[in-house]
Amino acid sequence: RKEVEQDPGPFNVPEGATVAFNCTYSNSASQSFFWYRQDCRKEPKLLMSVYSSGNEDGRFTAQLNRASQYISLLIRDSKLSDSATYLCVVNPQTGANNLFFGTGTRLTVIP
Amino acid sequence: ETGVTQSPTHLIKTRGQQVTLRCSSQSGHNTVSWYQQALGQGPQFIFQYYREEENGRGNFPPRFSGLQFPNYSSELNVNALELDDSALYLCASSLANGALPTGYTFGSGTRLTVV
Repeated sequence: RKEVEQDPGPFNVPEGATVAFNCTYSNSASQSFFWYRQDCRKEPKLLMSVYSSGNEDGRFTAQLNRASQYISLLIRDSKLSDSATYLCVVNPQTGANNLFFGTGTRLTVIP
Repeated sequence: ETGVTQSPTHLIKTRGQQVTLRCSSQSGHNTVSWYQQALGQGPQFIFQYYREEENGRGNFPPRFSGLQFPNYSSELNVNALELDDSALYLCASSLANGALPTGYTFGSGTRLTVV
């Protein structure tokens, strides 16, 4: 079983739409969770962290459900510039510096 | 400007050859982690170096090896290249025992093609 599993996508949405991505993780002891954004042929960059009570940053909201081992990312009022691959990322243990990445979900926002 | 630099940016090798990829960590960071990202997949952890020693390894065969130097820069070596080794190789630097993830900075990667 993979450490992190994501919706495969792709998601094609019109500008202004709300879109949600989901992710599950297998290690119940995992302590920290993140969403990274990766543009085509570029390196992943941190979008936001997800801690026990979730996190909101402008149009982006990340939620964590520890009981279900489930993480989500909600993007409201989608912009063309949101088009990218969104990677769900899990830090398997406190103090560890290695991260487990999902396969990513490709989002295309259409004019 | 990410602060982590990788070289070369692109590389083409023949199956069976050996390759060395290089990474200079961000100033102040003492730990380097290497990831392999195949097309259409998320990055997969190869190994991490701290204090010039391997400090954690993912599910990769021994022909993947590395080094870390006193200035914290690092090399990834892959022997006996296989076609499936074609991927984007990402280096990430961080500060050991520092907070994640803001201290985890990726380089722009080396795209390796094995023919």
